[in-house]
Amino acid sequence: GENVEQHPSTLSVQEGDSAVIKCTYSDSASNYFPWYKQELGKRPQLIIDIRSNVGEKKDQRIAVTLNKTAKHFSLHITETQPEDSAVYFCAATDSWGKLQFGAGTQVVVTP
Amino acid sequence: GAVVSQHPSRVICKSGTSVKIECRSLDFQATTMFWYRQFPKQSLMLMATSNEGSKATYEQGVEKDKFLINHASLTLSTLTVTSAHPEDSSFYICSARAGRNTEAFFGQGTRLTVV
Repeated sequence: GENVEQHPSTLSVQEGDSAVIKCTYSDSASNYFPWYKQELGKRPQLIIDIRSNVGEKKDQRIAVTLNKTAKHFSLHITETQPEDSAVYFCAATDSWGKLQFGAGTQVVVTP
Repeated sequence: GAVVSQHPSRVICKSGTSVKIECRSLDFQATTMFWYRQFPKQSLMLMATSNEGSKATYEQGVEKDKFLINHASLTLSTLTVTSAHPEDSSFYICSARAGRNTEAFFGQGTRLTVV
C-alpha cells in the first residue's frame, strides 16, 4: 500500500519567513495530494490540494509543488503569521482510492 | 465547505461494552468514508475505508471483528468498537468524500475513553 513520509516533524520559523514541508510517497499510481491543517483540538481542514496533471498550484501565501518522477511534493507557506501555527499533514490517494497521511509537521511561528 | 458531523464527540464506557460512533455527511453524498485513529501528537492512522453498499476494507493490523464498520447509505457510516478495552481509548475521526480525487471532509472526532 501507499507509504507517505513527511519531514520535518517540527518546524519553527520567525514571523514573516517562509516554511517548507516535504513529503514523499511510494505508490506511483497516486494522483491526488491534499494538504491539511489541524489546529489543537480541531478537525483537519484542507488548505490546498494538487492533482497529478499539474506540477504547481498556488493560493495566496500557500503553494504546493509536485514532482511525479521523484514521487515527492512540498508545501510552501510564505510570509508566515502566528495564525499559521498548527500541525500540517500531507496525504496521498493511492491506487486503491485510500487517503493515507504523512506523520505531520508541527509548525510554530514566533512573533 | 461541506459538512461532516460525527457523534458522539466524547464517550466514556466500561471495559467489555460496545460503543457506536456515527459519521454523517450533511450536505453531500459520500461515496467513500474513511475511519482514522489519532494518538496524541501523532498522525491520522487509517483504520478502514468504507464504500457505500459494500464491505469495508480494513488496514493491516486492524481487527474487523472488533471495529465493525457499516456504510449503509450515502450519508451515514458507523464504527462500532466491540468489547472495548482500555487500549482502545483514543481519538477516532471519520472523513467523507464524494469522489475519488475530491476533497475529503472530516468530522469533529470522537474521544473514546474505556475505563
